[in-house]
Amino acid sequence: DSGVTQTPKHLITATGQRVTLRCSPRSGDLSVYWYQQSLDQGLQFLIHYYNGEERAKGNILERFSAQQFPDLHSELNLSSLELGDSALYFCASSVGGGVLETQYFGPGTRLLVL
Amino acid sequence: AQSVTQLDSHVSVSEGTPVLLRCNYSSSYSPSLFWYVQHPNKGLQLLLKYTSAATLVKGINGFEAEFKKSETSFHLTKPSAHMSDAAEYFCVVSDLNFNKFYFGSGTKLNVKP
Repeated sequence: DSGVTQTPKHLITATGQRVTLRCSPRSGDLSVYWYQQSLDQGLQFLIHYYNGEERAKGNILERFSAQQFPDLHSELNLSSLELGDSALYFCASSVGGGVLETQYFGPGTRLLVL
Repeated sequence: AQSVTQLDSHVSVSEGTPVLLRCNYSSSYSPSLFWYVQHPNKGLQLLLKYTSAATLVKGINGFEAEFKKSETSFHLTKPSAHMSDAAEYFCVVSDLNFNKFYFGSGTKLNVKP
């Protein structure tokens, strides 16, 4: 158990809908990272927040957005969902914001868009 | 531009024999390199990371990797495979300037009894 929690574990929704995925980092960690794992695209880095501020952006679609709240939990919002958005979404957390920080991954949220 | 190529999508070894998972990278800057493991239905776990302090990096569970700049490689090895090593392994490259991460396509390791 990494100490990172993600809710919900599974999510089934329809095309065009909007969903919110939640991530609670390990106690004391200031950074949250979001990743997408799909059969088509493999593992992709989406976005990184450090202490409430966006630190780096990867291959995140404009339909997706994220934020990190004052209590350091983070939410990933996916809107106008398409079939291709079906994937496993991971968040990870680390103590600091540098590239060399060890990231601890949550168990993931499995999203199925029908 | 940064990228990672994992040369084998599947590797099968017998328990007790050596493991070699190959990774080549491309980076315009001094890279940071990582190996992660993903067991079925689990999140990723960091095995080891290269931080330019030493070219031979030792990780958890007996794994190690050697950074070879001339070959742009960061292959993962283990002297003796254990059944519990069966999982998918990802090589990742990043750089200190942009704070982004690029994953290889993964190598599934099968360990036969």
